[in-house]
Amino acid sequence: QKEVEQDPGPLSVPEGAIVSLNCTYSNSAFQYFMWYRQYSRKGPELLMYTYSSGNKEDGRFTAQVDKSSKYISLFIRDSQPSDSATYLCAMSLTGANSKLTFGKGITLSVRP
Amino acid sequence: GAGVSQSPSNKVTEKGKDVELRCDPISGHTALYWYRQSLGQGLEFLIYFQGNSAPDKSGLPSDRFSAERTGGSVSTLTIQRTQQEDSAVYLCASSLTGDSNQPQHFGDGTRLSIL
Repeated sequence: QKEVEQDPGPLSVPEGAIVSLNCTYSNSAFQYFMWYRQYSRKGPELLMYTYSSGNKEDGRFTAQVDKSSKYISLFIRDSQPSDSATYLCAMSLTGANSKLTFGKGITLSVRP
Repeated sequence: GAGVSQSPSNKVTEKGKDVELRCDPISGHTALYWYRQSLGQGLEFLIYFQGNSAPDKSGLPSDRFSAERTGGSVSTLTIQRTQQEDSAVYLCASSLTGDSNQPQHFGDGTRLSIL
């Protein structure tokens, strides 16, 4: 079992839909949780960055972390065709051990 | 430059050859990371530099892989005697201090194909 599991997808939704992306993890020591967006042939771009449990909102994006369930989510409201990309969850331990552990990513397609 | 720069963007080479991949981090970032992204395995950590030192090399898959960083800036990842399973996108990231509370910013990667 990998440390971070992410639904493989792909996922296709109509424009304007609410999208829910999820990851589960096994290492309870993870403290920092991130969502990256990756367009084709580009590097991952940081979307959301949270510490420990709770919610964080930025425009149309909301990140949720539930450490008791070892479960993180990204919600995208009013999805747009420009949101079509691969979404990667990532997490790290605290302190100086800062390497990221990633989920495999899910490809989202938003249909006009 | 404003972001992490990697070169070359694409590299095609024959099995058994050596390759060098370069990463130029964001100016002022002391931490630099190499990751590998392949279809089957996703995005995996290779090595972490803090300044010119590498306190975590745990992700390097074999002794054919090595990396160095000079002047606390540019880093080079070298793969010797390349194998077909080395085909992947090699991504570099940097962060301000290397602490976990600092986000990592990625370059666009080098797409390596071994014939």
